Amino acid sequence: GAVVSQHPSRVICKSGTSVKIECRSLDFQATTMFWYRQFPKQSLMLMATSNEGSKATYEQGVEKDKFLINHASLTLSTLTVTSAHPEDSSFYICSASPSRGITGKTQYFGPGTRLLVL
Amino acid sequence: EDQVTQSPEALRLQEGESSSLNCSYTVSGLRGLFWYRQDPGKGPEFLFTLYSAGEEKEKERLKATLTKKESFLHITAPKPEDSATYLCAVQDGTSFQKLVFGTGTRLLVSP
Repeated sequence: GAVVSQHPSRVICKSGTSVKIECRSLDFQATTMFWYRQFPKQSLMLMATSNEGSKATYEQGVEKDKFLINHASLTLSTLTVTSAHPEDSSFYICSASPSRGITGKTQYFGPGTRLLVL
Repeated sequence: EDQVTQSPEALRLQEGESSSLNCSYTVSGLRGLFWYRQDPGKGPEFLFTLYSAGEEKEKERLKATLTKKESFLHITAPKPEDSATYLCAVQDGTSFQKLVFGTGTRLLVSP
């Protein structure tokens, strides 16, 4: 149980193009999903919190117009990197918390998406 | 501001050589402390959630414990397949559901 998928697993794109990454909770509903970024040999850095049916909350320093987040249903959130540049190359990971229960909600992570911008 | 510090940064063990990983934390109102395992190029895999001091949880060769200031992940008789980065994260009572991660401990178990 508690499986989260991401698609695509790897993407290479040209500078200036936009890339969409999907995050799905496969066997549970998630009111809240999270998007992280991870650089080599570093820990996870939270980019934004995505709530179903409302606007995402972005962490300080994250450009909301560059990283568009949509959480249209209880099982799907998307991250679109707009006008990608080489410095956006990174490992993007999503997570989801089951909707039921309120104490110490566990986040279950997807397998990650490796983005390379040329 | 919540802070999580993990030590050691890297640990090399022989197969069967038991050891412990440390996670020290500062948080305003701990809601939960989480342990994850991350393999290279993959997302973190959930291991344990601990809620209050004195709590312990076990899974196969792993045992997690919690005090008011730190958590330990004990690895008993590790095998090469236990090699991974182990991440600790805390969730406080004010930043709803957000996790603050430590930098992790890279564990290598040699046969």
